[in-house]
Amino acid sequence: DIQMTQSPSSVSASVGDRVTITCRASQGIDGWLAWYQQKPGKAPKLLIYAASSLQSGVPSRFSGSGSGTDFILTISSLQPEDFATYYCQQTNSFPPSFGQGTRLEIK
Amino acid sequence: EVHLVESGGGLVLPGGSLRLSCSASGFTFSNYWMHWVRQVPGKGLVWVSRINSDGSTINYADYAKGRFIISRDNAKNTLFLQMDSLRAGDTAVYYCARDEMGMSYLDYWGQGDLVTVSS
Repeated sequence: DIQMTQSPSSVSASVGDRVTITCRASQGIDGWLAWYQQKPGKAPKLLIYAASSLQSGVPSRFSGSGSGTDFILTISSLQPEDFATYYCQQTNSFPPSFGQGTRLEIK
Repeated sequence: EVHLVESGGGLVLPGGSLRLSCSASGFTFSNYWMHWVRQVPGKGLVWVSRINSDGSTINYADYAKGRFIISRDNAKNTLFLQMDSLRAGDTAVYYCARDEMGMSYLDYWGQGDLVTVSS
């Protein structure tokens, strides 16, 4: 199975900051990667698919990049509603697997 | 508007069974792969199972094989997860989710249903 490792596990930032979250796959997954946002008590929300494609309705301040084993989620200018936990997910190889999550907290 | 609503969760004894349902609306259910994903409260997301649009292709996580059965009723727009031989480690919130392109990108999720396995 492919292991997905996110870093950092948690990060503190302020409104307006630029934030990057990294996801590393234990083996190459080409561009088969998604990013999700989850707020407490809520279901996950798809932000990015195919590593860099923005899901419909997701603000353009979210972007994704990477290929192979290393991927990045960038939030260009943090908004109050962006404080949440973020998960990456690989879909290249069965079973699909998620990273452990990165908690984005208000500084 | 797409809606997915899980039901059937609750408290069950170790070794017991539960059947989760996921009622779908707002889209043509029979056109989409569907998944179950679970999450221990306070922990990360873990994939459980998936089924293709007509039910002919099914996959499970290793821990679910032989104990869980995914199925669907396209006439009733409903996805199911039959869970048998439940263990304490199966305690989690179970989400159903739609697979937008058949590539395991999950674009809509239900609100989740808590399954608690405890004596």
